[in-house]
Amino acid sequence: GAVVSQHPSRVICKSGTSVKIECRSLDFQATTMFWYRQFPKQSLMLMATSNEGSKATYEQGVEKDKFLINHASLTLSTLTVTSAHPEDSSFYICSATAGVWRSNNEQFFGPGTRLTVL
Amino acid sequence: EDKVVQSPLSLVVHEGDTVTLNCSYEVTNFRSLLWYKQEKKAPTFLFMLTSSGIEKKSGRLSSILDKKELFSILNITATQTGDSAVYLCAVPGRVANAGGTSYGKLTFGQGTILTVHP
Repeated sequence: GAVVSQHPSRVICKSGTSVKIECRSLDFQATTMFWYRQFPKQSLMLMATSNEGSKATYEQGVEKDKFLINHASLTLSTLTVTSAHPEDSSFYICSATAGVWRSNNEQFFGPGTRLTVL
Repeated sequence: EDKVVQSPLSLVVHEGDTVTLNCSYEVTNFRSLLWYKQEKKAPTFLFMLTSSGIEKKSGRLSSILDKKELFSILNITATQTGDSAVYLCAVPGRVANAGGTSYGKLTFGQGTILTVHP
């Protein structure tokens, strides 16, 4: 099946710094990537939808200036958490899809990035 | 807004027990319902259900959908300690990108935390 990677898998940073998380589709072209956030003991919450070559669509309540998303190529989307604070500590997961939703196999999850802000 | 509710939120059983996990949903333009298993990292796909009354089965796991009652169940028979995980139910919704094409974005339920003791 298709593979999606994320880097880094884990990051610890100081409050006020910015952190960039990469999501790559390794063997297919991802026209759309989704960024999710998961707090401890909670479910995945969609943050934004990232379409290649256009601006990301953010879900209600997600600050677009704080969570910068760039989808510059068909295999790479990046999420930058700017001026990170301890409350941003979470598990960030991306998923990628190659095209029109037809079946489960068209959305593939990355392994996730655990962010800890001190 | 799409909505997915899972129950119970947590479940503790012993090896060999059978468990039933529940998922109810409200979604416009229903296309499918998905079940995932999550063990400390990104979710792994279990089932996709699109039609009522047709059971999907994989080993000791099975799932069925009732589109009239907007409900799905996931059954696990003869549970093992390796079944301990969070089980997530999700429905895909449509989003439009700049080109006008729709792609799936997932709305997840809260998840059911299953703990199987030896």
